Amino acid sequence: GNSVTQMEGPVTLSEEAFLTINCTYTATGYPSLFWYVQYPGEGLQLLLKATKADDKGSNKGFEATYRKETTSFHLEKGSVQVSDSAVYFCALSEGYGGSQGNLIFGKGTKLSVKP
Amino acid sequence: DGGITQSPKYLFRKEGQNVTLSCEQNLNHDAMYWYRQDPGQGLRLIYYSQIVNDFQKGDIAEGYSVSREKKESFPLTVTSAQKNPTAFYLCASSEQTGRGGYTFGSGTRLTVV
Repeated sequence: GNSVTQMEGPVTLSEEAFLTINCTYTATGYPSLFWYVQYPGEGLQLLLKATKADDKGSNKGFEATYRKETTSFHLEKGSVQVSDSAVYFCALSEGYGGSQGNLIFGKGTKLSVKP
Repeated sequence: DGGITQSPKYLFRKEGQNVTLSCEQNLNHDAMYWYRQDPGQGLRLIYYSQIVNDFQKGDIAEGYSVSREKKESFPLTVTSAQKNPTAFYLCASSEQTGRGGYTFGSGTRLTVV
């Protein structure tokens, strides 16, 4: 079945450090891929997405490229800020409807950025 | 602005009581979902609905019930049969295929004492 594996946290970085959170997936078709962010006590917000191979999603300085050959969608940011401290979830959707249309989430990676 | 609203933000109930969490969306989305999140944990799917008057069990449906009488609304009832109901509950909605991703509500934190 479909699955998402993302690196376990927590990840602790100093402000202005480079961030990578790894995400790999298993899917039978051509899924859409997503990164969501959850700030403490809040719901999840869509951070970025990519719907086909080689697409790059980007938002707020974060980027992720849909790599079909390595089945990966790693999240990167060149210079993190304290305000980026949150939990990040990688997810995929086959998008065919029925239960296959549901999003499959990774377990989340907690990021803490220190001043 | 369109969005998805969960209420209340915080809810306290005594053990053995049923409680209903509200979820309303004005995005004209066909599909709606309920997730449970425990501290430091990922998301676990409770129920989902892809059309009015129809819904399916997710991975942890035991002790929960839902209804979908209107497209905009998908309330979740946590029954007394749920062994450990204290958790953060998230509602989400999407277009039918889910390919565009989900829109989430801000969550309800339920504490059973």
